[in-house]
Amino acid sequence: SQQGEEDPQALSIQEGENATMNCSYKTSINNLQWYRQNSGRGLVHLILIRSNEREKHSGRLRVTLDTSKKSSSLLITASRAADTASYFCATDGTSGSRLTFGEGTQLTVNP
Amino acid sequence: EAGVAQSPRYKIIEKRQSVAFWCNPISGHATLYWYQQILGQGPKLLIQFQNNGVVDDSQLPKDRFSAERLKGVDSTLKIQPAKLEDSAVYLCASSFGLAGTNEQFFGPGTRLTVL
Repeated sequence: SQQGEEDPQALSIQEGENATMNCSYKTSINNLQWYRQNSGRGLVHLILIRSNEREKHSGRLRVTLDTSKKSSSLLITASRAADTASYFCATDGTSGSRLTFGEGTQLTVNP
Repeated sequence: EAGVAQSPRYKIIEKRQSVAFWCNPISGHATLYWYQQILGQGPKLLIQFQNNGVVDDSQLPKDRFSAERLKGVDSTLKIQPAKLEDSAVYLCASSFGLAGTNEQFFGPGTRLTVL
């Protein structure tokens, strides 16, 4: 069954603007991760947030987690053309043994 | 540090043929994953190994897909016989520990086209 679902499916912004992507999931989790995938390449890990954390930062990335709403958001500040990629959230469920990926948000940053 | 290696990068076969993919994980990573990613979708876990034992293969179509991880290092994924709907990118990933609490490192993937 689908666990993480990203919203929006596609997002197009201008360089320098902020980009916000949302992820909703259905069952309880231990951890939530965000990954980036450039066209034709494998995925790259961005950030992991635990279920007892509400917010986490890494460089220009800010991730929030609201376990009561079963949702997370990824904010990329001051976007660059190089941020153009697909972004996926992945949840582990309470067993923690398997990651389930969402369908992704395709972000396009126009120079 | 060398990343996850996969080969081949591209493969085109006809339906009902067989195909095999190879993966070499990052040295020291006990956990190895095979994912299937259909165009426009997120990766779907096919099988997860912890060392050379299978942790999760609940989503592996066992009538046609098989995988092994001999000696707890390299792994191969085989499809026999292939169907049109198997056209996808097959991603291998590895991590130091279990999936949920550990960052996964992905290889570049093998793009399979079944005609």
